[in-house]
Amino acid sequence: EAGVVQSPRYKIIEKKQPVAFWCNPISGHNTLYWYRQNLGQGPELLIRYENEEAVDDSQLPKDRFSAERLKGVDSTLKIQPAELGDSAVYLCASSLAIYTTDTQYFGPGTRLTVL
Amino acid sequence: KNQVEQSPQSLIILEGKNCTLQCNYTVSPFSNLRWYKQDTGRGPVSLTIMTFSENTKSNGRYTATLDADTKQSSLHITASQLSDSASYICVVSGAGNNRKLIWGLGTSLAVNP
Repeated sequence: EAGVVQSPRYKIIEKKQPVAFWCNPISGHNTLYWYRQNLGQGPELLIRYENEEAVDDSQLPKDRFSAERLKGVDSTLKIQPAELGDSAVYLCASSLAIYTTDTQYFGPGTRLTVL
Repeated sequence: KNQVEQSPQSLIILEGKNCTLQCNYTVSPFSNLRWYKQDTGRGPVSLTIMTFSENTKSNGRYTATLDADTKQSSLHITASQLSDSASYICVVSGAGNNRKLIWGLGTSLAVNP
């Protein structure tokens, strides 16, 4: 069974440029998460989807970040314009359902460097 | 305030030795506690999930304990291997109106030959 797929794995851009990350969750997983992880820190939740509905986006910087999950499967996270402080690893995770004991499966992440 | 604190911040042990990592939390109400292993350059991988009624749970050479009264958990690694070198992150899930995952900063473990 394929795990959570993310692309690209690495991205280097100049500040003020836009960037987009793509995530394909495990087949059948209704819940999808986007996290940001800075070096030496734990992941920070940006947004959580239940199917195509964003049910928790309280930590998403909405002035420059946007996300969508069309048809409740794949998801895209976008930053426009990127700032130096956005350099981090962006992790996508999925779980079968919304129950708090459900295991989250993480993708390998996209390492973003903003110059 | 919801907090998850892990200790030590980093640890170096020799291959074959055992070690114990600690996690203290103040998340309330409490739902469950998870331990993740994160290899460098990879996403976290779940090791164990425990609810308040579970005191211990094992996954191979990994054994997690939970004391919901004192709000403490530990992760014990037996007969360490080089592949155990990673960051180990404790995550606590709140319940009810506090239903969110609070991530610790992790313990960086290095297993040397």
